Amino acid sequence: DIQMTQSPSSVSASVGDRVTITCRASQGISSWLGWYQQKPGKAPKLLIYAASSLQSGVPSRFSGSGSGTDFTLTISSLQPEDFATYYCQQANSFPYTFGQGTKLEIK
Amino acid sequence: QITLKESGPTLVKPTQTLTLTCTFSGFSLSTSGVAVGWIRQPPGKALEWLALIYWDDDQRYSPSLKTRLTITKDTSKNQVVLTMTNMDPMDTATYYCAHRNSSWAFFDYWGQGPLVTVSS
Repeated sequence: DIQMTQSPSSVSASVGDRVTITCRASQGISSWLGWYQQKPGKAPKLLIYAASSLQSGVPSRFSGSGSGTDFTLTISSLQPEDFATYYCQQANSFPYTFGQGTKLEIK
Repeated sequence: QITLKESGPTLVKPTQTLTLTCTFSGFSLSTSGVAVGWIRQPPGKALEWLALIYWDDDQRYSPSLKTRLTITKDTSKNQVVLTMTNMDPMDTATYYCAHRNSSWAFFDYWGQGPLVTVSS
């Protein structure tokens, strides 16, 4: 199985801050990386697919980059609605695997 | 507009078999490239992919749960069914079904996910 490791596990930030979350795959996955946002009691929401493509309807303050084993999700200017938990997921090979999550909290 | 909704028991006893049904609309599981998957999330923990079924009935499973899982589809009813045998309290989780994007293999539409509790 491909292991996905996110860092940090949690981060505190303020509205307007720029935040970066990283995801590392245990082996190369090309660009088969997605990012999801999950709010308490809700299903995950796809933000980024193919490492850097913005899902339809997602604000442009979200961006993704990387390929191979190292990936980042950046939120350029945090908004109140962005405080949530974020997960990466690889779709390079089965079994699909998710990172352990990064909780973004209000400072 | 794509929607998915899971249905099934919210409480099962240890050793019982869990059967969950995903009823969807807005797409057809007979269209080339389409797939539906199941993902679960124990309370306070991370997401775990369980299984996936393609339009052509190809099935994929999590190796760690493969012996306990079965995924099937009923194209005429727009449904996907997941069964998990020999349920254990460790299987307590929210179970989501999700539509997998045909081009990029990521889950772009999700159901609301019922919490399934395993307890005697």
